[in-house]
Amino acid sequence: DAKTTQPTSMDCAEGRAANLPCNHSTISGNEYVYWYRQIHSQGPQYIIHGLKNNETNEMASLIITEDRKSSTLILPHATLRDTAVYYCIQISGSARQLTFGSGTQLTVLP
Amino acid sequence: KAGVTQTPRYLIKTRGQQVTLSCSPISGHRSVSWYQQTPGQGLQFLFEYFSETQRNKGNFPGRFSGRQFSNSRSEMNVSTLELGDSALYLCASRPAPIESGGSYNSPLHFGNGTRLTVT
Repeated sequence: DAKTTQPTSMDCAEGRAANLPCNHSTISGNEYVYWYRQIHSQGPQYIIHGLKNNETNEMASLIITEDRKSSTLILPHATLRDTAVYYCIQISGSARQLTFGSGTQLTVLP
Repeated sequence: KAGVTQTPRYLIKTRGQQVTLSCSPISGHRSVSWYQQTPGQGLQFLFEYFSETQRNKGNFPGRFSGRQFSNSRSEMNVSTLELGDSALYLCASRPAPIESGGSYNSPLHFGNGTRLTVT
């Protein structure tokens, strides 16, 4: 699977929007961008995914640039429970397996 | 809808023993994948099962095996445990694999894992 690039860590104040960037410059036309997060000692939790258009669900919004080489995950009103490692993944090939990079450690501060 | 359920949550075994982990997928999901997660290696794919058949396999030794039952529930077995097998073992489900009619537009949903400690 192709590699995505994310900052190692970010802080966000509780109640503010958390904006997590991801670079996926090698993404091809039929590959989706997926976001997962993992809270310590739990399994990865699916957040959102998209292909070309911006997406929104009850958890977050996903903004994908027009050239699809990068995206931003937005948690509109971060809470302490959003503290986790956030993984951005591009699903490539036959999508037979997921490969997580190092992700971004988001810490929401009170 | 209930999520992916894995049992047991924690397990402590001794070197040389064997262990069986269990996974119940989300209702209606017929594909089950297993992953090993360690601090050093990150998330590594073990295998995927669909319709009771192993469809894809990662780069793990034959000590790691699995099976899937007709109700889509899956078990993973590790024989002759080694210290390096200590890890979080994750199960994930989705409706079907890509090559079997599944969609890129269908996320994998993970359970909370089984924490295996080998002493």
